[in-house]
Amino acid sequence: DGGITQSPKYLFRKEGQNVTLSCEQNLNHDAMYWYRQDPGQGLRLIYYSQIVNDFQKGDIAEGYSVSREKKESFPLTVTSAQKNPTAFYLCASSIFALELLGGNQPQHFGDGTRLSIL
Amino acid sequence: GENVEQHPSTLSVQEGDSAVIKCTYSDSASNYFPWYKQELGKRPQLIIDIRSNVGEKKDQRIAVTLNKTAKHFSLHITETQPEDSAVYFCAASRMNSGYSTLTFGKGTMLLVSP
Repeated sequence: DGGITQSPKYLFRKEGQNVTLSCEQNLNHDAMYWYRQDPGQGLRLIYYSQIVNDFQKGDIAEGYSVSREKKESFPLTVTSAQKNPTAFYLCASSIFALELLGGNQPQHFGDGTRLSIL
Repeated sequence: GENVEQHPSTLSVQEGDSAVIKCTYSDSASNYFPWYKQELGKRPQLIIDIRSNVGEKKDQRIAVTLNKTAKHFSLHITETQPEDSAVYFCAASRMNSGYSTLTFGKGTMLLVSP
């Protein structure tokens, strides 16, 4: 899905450092999501946002923060409080997924960012 | 919250054979069940999805079945080809602060040998 761009592809973090992962989409999707992928763990939801200036915690939000100032952008910051940040991070987007309006719509993923600790 | 179990974790088949991957979910309110294929180092790609008002859906060699009573759904791939080799993830929807999100299974690594 060329409409979702994640950068950088690889990122290295030093101890005590915050790093920010970029996610941009040009699909005109309202909803955006961040997942963490570890070997054998599937995809776990970190944060999601359905509309601009609003976002909710997922299952593993501790040590992460997000912002949603523009519809196209949903950056994820991995803070120093995240003690085990090494993982593959995936951003996704979808049409507005309000349950009362029919619920989930297909999510489209970016190419991911692989974060490692130096 | 929703819990999705996926089996098997690895599956090896010969080219031309069929492959079946099974998932169970815990939340009876779940109403949307997508399947994603992820090749090594690449993004997950949606291959098929099914909603709770349908029992089966087909797309060429791929089919998904849903049993709401038993809370399980399965992916069926017929006439497998080496390019079907990848990790497959199932997912189930759940309510989250008034919005729907997805809970994923842990994945099945499918290896198709020529």
